[in-house]
Amino acid sequence: EVQLVESGGVVVQPGGSLRLSCVASGFTFSDYTMHWVRQAPGKGLQWVSLITWNGGVIKYADSVKGRFTISRDNGKNSLYLQMNSLRTEDTAFYYCTKDTSNAFDVWGQGTLATVSS
Amino acid sequence: DIVLTQTPLSSPVTLGQPASISCRSSQSLVHSDGNTYLSWLQQRPGQPPRLLIYQISNRFSGVPDRFSGSGAGTDFTLKISRVEVEDVGVYYCMQATHFPHSFGQGTRLEI
Repeated sequence: EVQLVESGGVVVQPGGSLRLSCVASGFTFSDYTMHWVRQAPGKGLQWVSLITWNGGVIKYADSVKGRFTISRDNGKNSLYLQMNSLRTEDTAFYYCTKDTSNAFDVWGQGTLATVSS
Repeated sequence: DIVLTQTPLSSPVTLGQPASISCRSSQSLVHSDGNTYLSWLQQRPGQPPRLLIYQISNRFSGVPDRFSGSGAGTDFTLKISRVEVEDVGVYYCMQATHFPHSFGQGTRLEI
């Protein structure tokens, strides 16, 4: 079964840091571009970042550029999102998603990161 | 940045009747490779999003054939031929032609 499982979402204070992880199974992780997409509670979807299969291309939304870092470890079938200088507006469910021909065809269940004092 | 505008934002529907959602882009979504990377996703209550349609009109694996997509350039439509109870949720269009990738605001389908 093709699956993505996120973890790492906790409550953190503004200005703090958090590292999210996503473990893939059921497909050849190293063949695919991967993305992070977030959704504030009760709100819409926002694209956050992408990383190509070998890390050769990395992109970020302007709202997180300079604060978030995406990375991957193909040997561990894992995707990461290092989040620094967190703001209250970063509170959201964070989903990792698999990219097949520029369509997001597999999604994890999400992990909730809450930034609050 | 590309802005995707969905209409309506809320759509009360009757079971067995058709439904239609429009997605308009602020710029053409035709990629330099000739493809148009416009997708439709469904998000049921309490669930992550699910891919329904990719590249305007291609149904993803396992998606019922009552869902169909159409359009070109900047104007796109998702149609449900006969709404069923399991179709309740929020529908998003998404473009992956340009960076940053972006989503429409979402359309809530209510029975």
